[in-house]
Amino acid sequence: DVKVTQSSRYLVKRTGEKVFLECVQDMDHENMFWYRQDPGLGLRLIYFSYDVKMKEKGDIPEGYSVSREKKERFSLILESASTNQTSMYLCASSYLVRGRGTQYFGPGTRLLVL
Amino acid sequence: DQQVKQNSPSLSVQEGRISILNCDYTNSMFDYFLWYKKYPAEGPTFLISISSIKDKNEDGRFTVFLNKSAKHLSLHIVPSQPGDSAVYFCAASRGLTGTASKLTFGTGTRLQVTL
Repeated sequence: DVKVTQSSRYLVKRTGEKVFLECVQDMDHENMFWYRQDPGLGLRLIYFSYDVKMKEKGDIPEGYSVSREKKERFSLILESASTNQTSMYLCASSYLVRGRGTQYFGPGTRLLVL
Repeated sequence: DQQVKQNSPSLSVQEGRISILNCDYTNSMFDYFLWYKKYPAEGPTFLISISSIKDKNEDGRFTVFLNKSAKHLSLHIVPSQPGDSAVYFCAASRGLTGTASKLTFGTGTRLQVTL
């Protein structure tokens, strides 16, 4: 079974703090993703990575950065947390089979920025 | 610009009946579609997918139908069970390159199966 783990289930931070969200997958997947889920907006892609040290912006990258130093680990960084970054953050990984990828998700981190 | 739309935010169905969840898309380049199910406080889990070369794919109680001319897909659950109560997300991707792994999600439909 594919396993995607996220470092925290719940996190409370103060405005202006630097926040690190960690994601680890154990299936040697090439691709990893960070989303945020907000009511009425579905899942929105923040950043993704096709390979180690490689990253690409998703649909809403502003205020975020990422790091992928090892294949199994993909970190999301909020450089200076703001209240509008309060959300559920979901990490996913995938591999391609004949050009198609099914994404497998971690349990999510619910972040509250005060 | 919402390229994948789920216009019904919620749906209530009696146990044993059919649940039909709908999804529309605007980008004609999408050629692979997936449905995910999400319980509260958990990550989404993959349910079923369909390629644009097909118009139907079935897996147990779950069937996905694709109408390319209408840019519409639907997920049928028969018979519905209380454990099916969750939020369902439709997702789409395009191409056969590395970008094929990038998915565009809809806003979700909350299904409640009542006894």
